Amino acid sequence: QQPVQSPQAVILREGEDAVINCSSSKALYSVHWYRQKHGEAPVFLMILLKGGEQKGHDKISASFNEKKQQSSLYLTASQLSYSGTYFCGGAAGNKLTFGGGTRVLVKP
Amino acid sequence: DGGITQSPKYLFRKEGQNVTLSCEQNLNHDAMYWYRQDPGQGLRLIYYSQIVNDFQKGDIAEGYSVSREKKESFPLTVTSAQKNPTAFYLCASSIVADTSKLFFGSGTQLSVL
Repeated sequence: QQPVQSPQAVILREGEDAVINCSSSKALYSVHWYRQKHGEAPVFLMILLKGGEQKGHDKISASFNEKKQQSSLYLTASQLSYSGTYFCGGAAGNKLTFGGGTRVLVKP
Repeated sequence: DGGITQSPKYLFRKEGQNVTLSCEQNLNHDAMYWYRQDPGQGLRLIYYSQIVNDFQKGDIAEGYSVSREKKESFPLTVTSAQKNPTAFYLCASSIVADTSKLFFGSGTQLSVL
């Protein structure tokens, strides 16, 4: 079963913040976050390996609540370059499955 | 430079035909994956392999086959049994299966004639 992401899409003005959520019905060993620009391959952002762990990439950070099997990605002071589709991936049993993606559009 | 190479970039399949998508990596990664992406959709796992001569089915393996005869190569065959093959196919690799980041190839767009 794929992780479930919400919202499906979000539109931001440059400088605004947003949160993308990812939840799984399966116990996850790790959570991955990737960003895909239109027509390109997904690019790795970060992995969270422990419950409660938070990581950052520029002004993009994420947390992982192992008890709830939920992860959140935080886009802070968004830039135009943040536009794209964000995917969370859940790893369980050596298999990495992705959520349906969240489309982010940052406008000037 | 190290990376993953997928070829061809565009591929057309006639009805009843099998086609093979190539994926080669020179990153010395053990794990390799094939994902299918439909327009506006997420990535769905077709097959994955953690070691040479071994591979496992993903969530949508029906109508597809793979081989892993060499560490560097993980070709995907879309068989005639796959009735809706039009999609963007992404190959990826990682050092180990579930704790290291995935490196993706640039993808192959498969369309049906």
